[in-house]
Amino acid sequence: QVTLRESGPALVKPTQTLTLSCTFTGFSLSTSGMCVSWIRQPPGKAPEWLARIDWDDEKYYSTSLKTRLTISKDTSKNQVVLTMTNMDPVDTATYYCARDYFDRNVFQYYFDSWGQGTLVTVSS
Amino acid sequence: DVQMTQSPSSLSASVGDIVTISCRASQTISNHLNWYQQKPGKAPKLLIYAASNLQSGVPSRFSGSASGTDFTLTISSLQPEDFATYYCQQSYTTWAFGQGTKVEVK
Repeated sequence: QVTLRESGPALVKPTQTLTLSCTFTGFSLSTSGMCVSWIRQPPGKAPEWLARIDWDDEKYYSTSLKTRLTISKDTSKNQVVLTMTNMDPVDTATYYCARDYFDRNVFQYYFDSWGQGTLVTVSS
Repeated sequence: DVQMTQSPSSLSASVGDIVTISCRASQTISNHLNWYQQKPGKAPKLLIYAASNLQSGVPSRFSGSASGTDFTLTISSLQPEDFATYYCQQSYTTWAFGQGTKVEVK
């Protein structure tokens, strides 16, 4: 059974750097084809994909946010970390990590397992 | 970047109704389109992947189809537990979600 859990601060001040951790079980990021993404969802709005890290350490970022994001992994700890610099009140959202599964039957990716999300509020 | 336009943004329906939700890509994405259901306070749940493949455990009343850059999610007979918000998501390049369709009680 695949599980993911996000952790990090509930409140950050404007201009600060946010660091979130995603700890997962049920799969390994050293296995070919495995990927983990971060997605956020502002209150009442649609989800927004942020970043992805692959089993081979390839990294992908949202075009609009790439200058502020860094994603990394610790395979031995089954953990993925996202940092976002220069936080602003508009970054207030629930942040999710999700397994970005590559299905070899259809040669496509999809988010098949999600964490419960962590609400991050940006306010002074 | 590929933009996804979902319609309608909301709809009212009754139990037993057929519900269709549309999603249009700004450029070709082949069939790299997934559908999710989200209930308040919960993470999205995968329903359909690769445009028309039903995720394991999802009821067969959910189905997906594609025609060019137009994609459709259909619920053949709406059930009480289906009142939720639905999102499309393209996985062709730089993943992106549609703006969502809220299915409400009529």
